[in-house]
Amino acid sequence: NAGVTQTPKFRILKIGQSMTLQCTQDMNHNYMYWYRQDPGMGLKLIYYSVGAGITDKGEVPNGYNVSRSTTEDFPLRLELAAPSQTSVYFCASRDLWTENTGELFFGEGSRLTVL
Amino acid sequence: EDKVVQSPLSLVVHEGDTVTLNCSYEVTNFRSLLWYKQEKKAPTFLFMLTSSGIEKKSGRLSSILDKKELFSILNITATQTGDSAVYLCAVDDRTNAGKSTFGDGTTLTVKP
Repeated sequence: NAGVTQTPKFRILKIGQSMTLQCTQDMNHNYMYWYRQDPGMGLKLIYYSVGAGITDKGEVPNGYNVSRSTTEDFPLRLELAAPSQTSVYFCASRDLWTENTGELFFGEGSRLTVL
Repeated sequence: EDKVVQSPLSLVVHEGDTVTLNCSYEVTNFRSLLWYKQEKKAPTFLFMLTSSGIEKKSGRLSSILDKKELFSILNITATQTGDSAVYLCAVDDRTNAGKSTFGDGTTLTVKP
């Protein structure tokens, strides 16, 4: 199994450009997340989804959009990129089927620089 | 709003030392607390602590959960240079449909 795959790994954007970070998982997890991590900080939740067709905002959703048309895919769209969106982005998924499950499985991360 | 505070923010020790990392939390309806290790890339899972599992151990790492005082500690004994990493604590709230709230992490540096 590949787990969680996100692309691209690196990207440089100019201010005002748009792009989509792709994320797909092959573990049949219902829950999927997008986090951003700024230097020296923990993970801040951007958007999450509890199943296909359902998305909700996290702590820092401004400037981003998501969709969840299938269980496997959860792309993150950046509209009108700004320098404040320079960060490392992590996609993650998990299941919460039992009381003893809940660990997040992370993709390798996407380093985005906006100049 | 759920909140997770980790301390210390950073720690420098020598190989063989024992370290204790702290995580305090505020959550409306506690489901679980999770520890992750992050080494220059994506976080990897260490432990999950719940109401029914308040103590976990794996090799030199162990963790306990105090639900009354709302904190957890992560202990690492006989530290090695390979333990150098950022350790992240996260808490899950049953009322927030699967959201994990993370602390800012503790950066551990183990010197030879």
